[in-house]
Amino acid sequence: GAVVSQHPSWVICKSGTSVKIECRSLDFQATTMFWYRQFPKQSLMLMATSNEGSKATYEQGVEKDKFLINHASLTLSTLTVTSAHPEDSSFYICSASQGGGAYGYTFGSGTRLTVV
Amino acid sequence: DQQVKQNSPSLSVQEGRISILNCDYTNSMFDYFLWYKKYPAEGPTFLISISSIKDKNEDGRFTVFLNKSAKHLSLHIVPSQPGDSAVYFCAASGGGNKLVFGAGTILRVKS
Repeated sequence: GAVVSQHPSWVICKSGTSVKIECRSLDFQATTMFWYRQFPKQSLMLMATSNEGSKATYEQGVEKDKFLINHASLTLSTLTVTSAHPEDSSFYICSASQGGGAYGYTFGSGTRLTVV
Repeated sequence: DQQVKQNSPSLSVQEGRISILNCDYTNSMFDYFLWYKKYPAEGPTFLISISSIKDKNEDGRFTVFLNKSAKHLSLHIVPSQPGDSAVYFCAASGGGNKLVFGAGTILRVKS
């Protein structure tokens, strides 16, 4: 089956530094990748949609300059949290689509970011 | 504005009994609904889905029911097993490829 690898699984960084999270589709080409954020005991909130070779589409309220998304190839998308602050601490999850609408999603295992 | 709501934050069920997880939605444009299972510190895994043209879909121990008029769907797990203990998310899609998630329900199956 389709596998999406997300790294790192957890990261602790100092305030003001930047952190990069990678999302790779291992056995399929992902035309579209999605980045979600989950706060404790809350839903997964879609942050942005990235399409290979084009700019990401951000959801309302998500700062583009803070959460940089790059989808350089059909198998790799990266999310960079720039100038991280403690309020950015969260669980970030990516998913990749093989096409076929909502049915074709595969999620990564998530990244726990803690900013101290 | 929560378009997908899971009003029960948690549910506790005895092993062997039926688990019923509920989900309500407000957007009548949603035409595809999915249930995901999630363990702590892991990404969600797909469980079962249903198209808006159906009212029931069954896969082994899992059955999803859709009541379009009430904008309500439910996931039935029978018989429930301890390994089913996880967070269950309801998600909906409307004509595109974006998913809107509910807040999740923690299911605990007691042995």
